[in-house]
Amino acid sequence: GEDVEQSLFLSVREGDSSVINCTYTDSSSTYLYWYKQEPGAGLQLLTYIFSNMDMKQDQRLTVLLNKKDKHLSLRIADTQTGDSAIYFCAESISRSASGGSYIPTFGRGTSLIVHP
Amino acid sequence: NAGVTQTPKFQVLKTGQSMTLQCAQDMNHEYMSWYRQDPGMGLRLIHYSVGAGITDQGEVPNGYNVSRSTTEDFPLRLLSAAPSQTSVYFCASTLDGRDTEAFFGQGTRLTVV
Repeated sequence: GEDVEQSLFLSVREGDSSVINCTYTDSSSTYLYWYKQEPGAGLQLLTYIFSNMDMKQDQRLTVLLNKKDKHLSLRIADTQTGDSAIYFCAESISRSASGGSYIPTFGRGTSLIVHP
Repeated sequence: NAGVTQTPKFQVLKTGQSMTLQCAQDMNHEYMSWYRQDPGMGLRLIHYSVGAGITDQGEVPNGYNVSRSTTEDFPLRLLSAAPSQTSVYFCASTLDGRDTEAFFGQGTRLTVV
C-alpha cells in the first residue's frame, strides 16, 4: 500500500456527505478504482474512473480526479448506516520492467463509520 | 458462476506447521494474486501470476510459495507457519491485468499460535 495513500478513519453523521480522499503515484494508471469491503467479506468494486475524466457520478457516488496532483476522492451523498465499511482506493501498477503485468495496488483503506 | 472461491475460511496452525490455502476461479481470468490484510496495513501483495506457469513476487513474499499449474487454480503455501503470518488472506483475479476489475474471494482468516 505504499504507492496509494489514504486516511485511516472517517466518521460522519447519517444523512451527511462523506468524502474519502486518496493520493496515488503511477501517472500511467488508466483507471482508478474504489473498492468497498464490508465486515467479514472480500472487496467489491464500487466504482471507477477513467484517467481522462475529471468527474464521474453514479447515483449517490461522485468520484473526482485531479490528475495533476494525483488525487482521487469519493463522495457519498446522504450517507446511510449501510455505507459503514472500509473503502479502498486502487490503481493498477506495472510489475514488469518491460511494461505489462499490471496488478492492482491498494491503499490502506479508510474505515467509514456512520452514526445516527 | 462461482467467481473466486477460497478455502478454508478459517484455520488455526501451530508455529512450524505447513499448509496450503486454496484459490480457484471459474471466469477464465489470466491474472491471479494473493494479498494479506492486516489492521492499518491495507492489502499487501504476496505473490501474483499473469498466466499458467508464470508467477512472481509481490511486496511481502517471504515465507510463502505459489504455483500456477492451471488457469483456474492458484494455491498459496505456507512453508513453516509463524505468528507473524496471522492475517486475513485474499485471493483475487482479473481478466488480463491492466485496467480491469479485480474479483475477490471471501478470504481465509489464519491464526498461527
